[in-house]
Amino acid sequence: DTEVTQTPKHLVMGMTNKKSLKCEQHMGHRAMYWYKQKAKKPPELMFVYSYEKLSINESVPSRFSPECPNSSLLNLHLHALQPEDSALYLCASSQLGRDSYNEQFFGPGTRLTVL
Amino acid sequence: ELKVEQNPLFLSMQEGKNYTIYCNYSTTSDRLYWYRQDPGKSLESLFVLLSNGAVKQEGRLMASLDTKARLSTLHITAAVHDLSATYFCAVDIQGAQKLVFGQGTRLTINP
Repeated sequence: DTEVTQTPKHLVMGMTNKKSLKCEQHMGHRAMYWYKQKAKKPPELMFVYSYEKLSINESVPSRFSPECPNSSLLNLHLHALQPEDSALYLCASSQLGRDSYNEQFFGPGTRLTVL
Repeated sequence: ELKVEQNPLFLSMQEGKNYTIYCNYSTTSDRLYWYRQDPGKSLESLFVLLSNGAVKQEGRLMASLDTKARLSTLHITAAVHDLSATYFCAVDIQGAQKLVFGQGTRLTINP
């Protein structure tokens, strides 16, 4: 299985809602990533998990809360978002290890709209 | 801080023509990746270049890496409409566990 899956595909939420984005991979990768992508821009890294531990937080506001329950799953919990948080949220995974390189495999993304 | 710059940012070309997209980066690295993104879709990995002089080809696309010049190129041969997409290069530094993306090149191929 060489696929990264994400749910939901689309999400519309109000500024007071709490929602979660989910990501799953079964490639045995031990690094997982959350990116935010605005239209016509490159992906912006938000968080990196390595061996299920948070290894990079790119100064993301606390209204975004990541979670890695196990090596195959990655969640992004959303609370009190702002309209400017509307974007495509991408999950990715890659191998880890001394001889590995950082080719990242991306999921299809969740299109988030905050009203 | 690693910076990655692509040019051109926009490219409109006719079917059957050849063109090259350039990716320059600011810090020593021998690991460079090319991705394709169709509108509203995710990123698809195209090429992984892991050493100086690396060249990879897939169909009408060929990518190369010159680590001394800190430059990668993505060459398109005899373009066809299906290649219309945004192309990103990305660079990583071993051990840093993050990719730095270029701005993307939006390629439109007209019949």
